[in-house]
Amino acid sequence: GAGVSQSPSNKVTEKGKDVELRCDPISGHTALYWYRQSLGQGLEFLIYFQGNSAPDKSGLPSDRFSAERTGGSVSTLTIQRTQQEDSAVYLCASSFYPNPEQYFGPGTRLTVT
Amino acid sequence: AQTVTQSQPEMSVQEAETVTLSCTYDTSESDYYLFWYKQPPSRQMILVIRQEAYKQQNATENRFSVNFQKAAKSFSLKISDSQLGDAAMYFCAYRTGTASKLTFGTGTRLQVTL
Repeated sequence: GAGVSQSPSNKVTEKGKDVELRCDPISGHTALYWYRQSLGQGLEFLIYFQGNSAPDKSGLPSDRFSAERTGGSVSTLTIQRTQQEDSAVYLCASSFYPNPEQYFGPGTRLTVT
Repeated sequence: AQTVTQSQPEMSVQEAETVTLSCTYDTSESDYYLFWYKQPPSRQMILVIRQEAYKQQNATENRFSVNFQKAAKSFSLKISDSQLGDAAMYFCAYRTGTASKLTFGTGTRLQVTL
């Protein structure tokens, strides 16, 4: 079956603009995760969804970051008033709870100019 | 807090040879999982192998095997018969049995030479 997909693949935005990043998990996967990968900080956890609920939002770096998941499927990560330090690759992963393996999408490279 | 350490920023191996990538972790939990992920230049994180902490037997997947030393909190990856396609960043990752998120090491870049 199809893997995790993310869109867009690349996004260039101006500082101060809002961006939305999309993740389509593997069909039937109940858990969805967002991570951020940057040169300075490595791979960081952002948020975890189980169904449409987010029991762990501990990795969101500021209130400019938010995420939602609808229909237990697609998730959107929104970054408001983007800053240059938001430039990174944003990775989405999904898993079939309670299996521990997480399967990743190809990521969205965000560049804030 | 759980931490994962990969002390080898870069490694190199000749084609057909064997290489071992190191990983250590720190945790007070007894129930957890360990993983190795591969990230080629395409950015796609690919699951290579997984190990449950309660299992004494080391996991093996084809040319990939681990040496899991629970008491030493060590989890190394051995790649046998290395191939050009094995060239990538390799990340060691940890998660507890109850928590959801993965905690990653800083990665090891593996080069495969002819």
